[in-house]
Amino acid sequence: EIVLTQSPGTLSLSPGERATLSCRASQSVSSSYLAWYQQKPGQPPRLLIYGASTRAAGIPDRFSGSGSGTDFTLTISRLEPEDFAVYYCQQYDSLPSYSFGQGTKLEIK
Amino acid sequence: EVQLVESGGGLVQPGGSLRLSCVASGFSVKTTYMTWVRQAPGKGLEWVSIIHNNGNTYYADSVRGRFTTSKDKSKNTVYFQMNSVRPEDTGVYYCAKELSGRFDCWGQGTLVIVSS
Repeated sequence: EIVLTQSPGTLSLSPGERATLSCRASQSVSSSYLAWYQQKPGQPPRLLIYGASTRAAGIPDRFSGSGSGTDFTLTISRLEPEDFAVYYCQQYDSLPSYSFGQGTKLEIK
Repeated sequence: EVQLVESGGGLVQPGGSLRLSCVASGFSVKTTYMTWVRQAPGKGLEWVSIIHNNGNTYYADSVRGRFTTSKDKSKNTVYFQMNSVRPEDTGVYYCAKELSGRFDCWGQGTLVIVSS
C-alpha cells in the first residue's frame, strides 16, 4: 500500500499570499493518478487537480499542481478568502487501491 | 447535471447492520466505476470500496469481509451493505464517481454512528 504524507499539517497565511502544499509518497506514483481535493467544513471534497497538474472543470487558474515520482506540490498563487480549507492529495494504484494523505489545513493568519 | 444522493445512515449498535444507498442522476452506474469513501469525525478521508462497471468489487482491508458493495442498474443506485459494524466504522460515508483514478463527483454524504 502506498502511503501519502502531506506537509505541513497546518499552514497559516493571509489572503493574497502564496500557498505551497506538499504530498510525498512512500513509493513512486504515476503522475496520471495523483489528485488534489479541497474540503470545507460540512461539505464533501471537491476535485481540484488530477493527473498531478490538470485543473478540474471550473477550478480557477490560481490553483496549480506539479511533481512526479514521490514528490508532488499544490500551489495556490494568491489566496482568496474562500481558499481557506483542508486539502488532500490522493493516489490510485492498480491493485486497485486508493489512498489519501492526512490533509493540510490552510488557515487564515 | 451529474448528482449523487446518499441515504440510509443512522445509529446502529456494534455488531449490527446497515445498508447505505447512493442514487445517481445525470449518468449511468452501469458504465461507471463507483466508490465509497468515509470520514471519521474530525479525521481525514479513507477509501473503502469500489465497484467496477462489470460488477467486480474491491475493498480496503479495514472493511473486507464485513461490507459489500452492489448496484441496481434499473434504479441507477449503488448500495453499501455494512455488517458486523464496529465503533471505528463511525463517520460520514460518501459515494463518489470514479474516473481514471480520481473521484470527480461526490455526494453530500450520510452519517453512520456505531454506538450502544
